[in-house]
Amino acid sequence: EIVMTQFPATLSVSPGEGATLSCRASQSITTNVAWYQQKPGQAPRLLIYGASTRAPGLPARFSGSGSGTEFTLTISSLQSDDFAVYYCQQYHNLPPYTFGQGTKLEIK
Amino acid sequence: EVRLVESGGGLVHRGGSLRLSCTASGFSFSSYALAWVRQTPGKGLEFVAGMNSNGRTTFYAESVKGRFTLSRDTSTNTLYLQMGSLRTEDMAVYYCARDRGRAVTFFDYWGQGTLVIVSS
Repeated sequence: EIVMTQFPATLSVSPGEGATLSCRASQSITTNVAWYQQKPGQAPRLLIYGASTRAPGLPARFSGSGSGTEFTLTISSLQSDDFAVYYCQQYHNLPPYTFGQGTKLEIK
Repeated sequence: EVRLVESGGGLVHRGGSLRLSCTASGFSFSSYALAWVRQTPGKGLEFVAGMNSNGRTTFYAESVKGRFTLSRDTSTNTLYLQMGSLRTEDMAVYYCARDRGRAVTFFDYWGQGTLVIVSS
């Protein structure tokens, strides 16, 4: 099983600042990673797939990068609506796929 | 508008069975892979089971293999998850999710989830 490790577990950032969230895979997954945002009481929302492709309608302040085992989700100029929990998911080879444990982005 | 609506969750005794349903609308049901993903406070998000758009290729998490079974009814655009021999660790919110394509990979639409509680 491919283990996805996200860090930090919690990130405190002020609105208007940028945030960098990291995700590490236990083995190479090329660029087969997706990022999701989840707010309390809601289902996850797809943000990024293929490590760097934004989902339709996603603001350009969200960007993804990385390949192999190291991946990053960067959010520039944080808005109040961006404070949520973020998950990475690998979809390398065949299922079952795995998710990271999440990074909570909170208002500083 | 793509919609996925889960139902069938509830309280069940350990060792019991439950069938979850996911009714889809707003897209061609047979053209997309679908999956169930569950979420618990302790374990986060976990892929449970998925079915490719062909309706024949299915995948299961090791933790549910042999106990859970996926099926679908294309006449009602419904995906089912038959859950048996339920354990307390199966207690979670179960989400139905649509893949972006024909094979199970990542998920662009999610339902609102249905809660499964397993009592000991």
